[in-house]
Amino acid sequence: GENVEQHPSTLSVQEGDSAVIKCTYSDSASNYFPWYKQELGKRPQLIIDIRSNVGEKKDQRIAVTLNKTAKHFSLHITETQPEDSAVYFCAARAPVTSGSARQLTFGSGTQLTVLP
Amino acid sequence: DAGITQSPRHKVTETGTPVTLRCHQTENHRYMYWYRQDPGHGLRLIHYSYGVKDTDKGEVSDGYSVSRSKTEDFLLTLESATSSQTSVYFCAISETPTNEKLFFGSGTQLSVL
Repeated sequence: GENVEQHPSTLSVQEGDSAVIKCTYSDSASNYFPWYKQELGKRPQLIIDIRSNVGEKKDQRIAVTLNKTAKHFSLHITETQPEDSAVYFCAARAPVTSGSARQLTFGSGTQLTVLP
Repeated sequence: DAGITQSPRHKVTETGTPVTLRCHQTENHRYMYWYRQDPGHGLRLIHYSYGVKDTDKGEVSDGYSVSRSKTEDFLLTLESATSSQTSVYFCAISETPTNEKLFFGSGTQLSVL
């Protein structure tokens, strides 16, 4: 099955700096890559996603890039703010096949701390 | 919060006892999922449902069963709870079968002593 590795596990940045979180995946047929943000004690929430036919996607201060050849994708947060402090999870979805239909495989998470 | 509700929010139980967690949605979404969250493991799929009475196993289904008798309710049962099932359990819903745009419930903290 799909395997997703996420780095780093913890990341501290100064307010206003950029943060980058990287994920690698194992199944070259994976075609959908979402990112979820989870604030302390709260539910995970989708913040951005990208499909395999797109190399980059931006939404205000957040961007995701995808390198299919290298099988990795990254989350970029610019001009970080204290409210960006949270755990971020990447995920990858392999195509629908028997036994793995409709399954996302999540990375282990990155604790981002934005220091004032 | 509107849309999806999990109950109970917290539960402490003893090893060997049965436990049922409930997920209730008001969005009329066809697809529902149960995940568990453990430190260092992210979110792992336990079971999912693609319609009333239609369910299938995820990657960590051993020791768990599910039922969906109505569109709005998806129940997760631990037949005989073990300490390894201490975790935070999240229910999620989606409109599409492709696992996109998951909307999560607030979670249930389960402790098995």
